Amino acid sequence: DIVLTQSPGTLSLSPGERATLSCRATQSIRSTDLAWYQQKPGQAPRLLIYAASSRATGVPDRFSGSGSGTDFTLTISRLEPEDFAVYYCQQYGTSSMCSFGQGTKLEIK
Amino acid sequence: EVQLVESGGGVVRPGGSLRLSCAVSGFTFDDSGMNWVRQAPGKGLEWVAGINWSGGSTGYADSVKGRFTISRDNAKNSLYLQMNSLSAEDTAFYYCARVWGLSGSYHGQPFDYWGQGTLVTVSS
Repeated sequence: DIVLTQSPGTLSLSPGERATLSCRATQSIRSTDLAWYQQKPGQAPRLLIYAASSRATGVPDRFSGSGSGTDFTLTISRLEPEDFAVYYCQQYGTSSMCSFGQGTKLEIK
Repeated sequence: EVQLVESGGGVVRPGGSLRLSCAVSGFTFDDSGMNWVRQAPGKGLEWVAGINWSGGSTGYADSVKGRFTISRDNAKNSLYLQMNSLSAEDTAFYYCARVWGLSGSYHGQPFDYWGQGTLVTVSS
């Protein structure tokens, strides 16, 4: 099974700063099979990025995804107050199963 | 407007059973693969089970295989999760989620719409 490890566990930044979140897989995955989600307290996850770098409908362009193979990155270019949340990566293309990373909490510094 | 509404959560004793439902609207249900994802309080997301558009193909996480059964009734626009032999480790919010696109499969695409979740608590 593919295990996704996200780092850092917690990222403390200020509004306006740039955030870089990492997701590393235990084996290579296709770029078409990697997504990022945002979850705020008391809410369901929201799809942000799919196929490693494509933004979902309505997602601001300050969010971008990149990477290939085993290393993927979510970048938020300039943090807005509403961006502070927990972010999860997901691989969804392998072995009829999917898996999520353990999450990165983005908190206000 | 796409809506997914879970129900059926509650408190159940260890070893007990529970059936969750997810009522959907706003899209053609029998075009879509569907999944259940759970989240223990304060923890991360864990994929639980998935089902293709017809119900003919299903998949389960190892942690629930043999205990949980996913099913659907396309005529009722509803998804289900039958949970048996529950233990404290199954305590979580359970979300139903739609697979993006029209492949009809439960895997191979991300999850674009999620319900708000229903809480299952396993406790004596």
